[in-house]
Amino acid sequence: KNQVEQSPQSLIILEGKNCTLQCNYTVSPFSNLRWYKQDTGRGPVSLTIMTFSENTKSNGRYTATLDADTKQSSLHITASQLSDSASYICVVSDRGSTLGRLYFGRGTQLTVWP
Amino acid sequence: EADIYQTPRYLVIGTGKKITLECSQTMGHDKMYWYQQDPGMELHLIHYSYGVNSTEKGDLSSESTVSRIRTEHFPLTLESARPSHTSQYLCASSDRTGTGDDEQYFGPGTRLTVT
Repeated sequence: KNQVEQSPQSLIILEGKNCTLQCNYTVSPFSNLRWYKQDTGRGPVSLTIMTFSENTKSNGRYTATLDADTKQSSLHITASQLSDSASYICVVSDRGSTLGRLYFGRGTQLTVWP
Repeated sequence: EADIYQTPRYLVIGTGKKITLECSQTMGHDKMYWYQQDPGMELHLIHYSYGVNSTEKGDLSSESTVSRIRTEHFPLTLESARPSHTSQYLCASSDRTGTGDDEQYFGPGTRLTVT
């Protein structure tokens, strides 16, 4: 069964600290993996996309890693800011159809305290 | 920021009422989607469309219906709202590259509460 599991479910950190969010997936065949940021009351916004051959991709203070062999990904946030408080969702796309079927994790709720 | 809009943003309505959630995008995208999201849970695809006059049901069974008469517009209708329909509804769109790698751009969502 194709699944996406994220951990931790929630996380509280102090402003300026770093953190790492985890994503494990069983989706096959694999096409790509995206990390989305969803602010409260808003729709998700894509942060990074990684394909099978990519190990690391950065977008400002966000760095995503992918290990396609172990089917694991992480999102590292450096020097956190209050505006980083949001839900971070791991989304994996398969290659099984032209629709590009997406499998969503439940997200990690990150809270950054001053 | 993506040019995809949803109205209303919040809706509280009584049981049995008919409602239509609006979604429009100005990016000229062929593919559009409706997702349902409950707090702390993953997004579930309930409807999608490849283009005008194309609509399909998603993975999660839903009593709602959709239509796609114009490329930019993808409204969702509930003929008779029930408390079990209380949820957040997210609309999205993507380019039709056909590779499955399309980024989906999401609207801000409609928070529906049925009393």
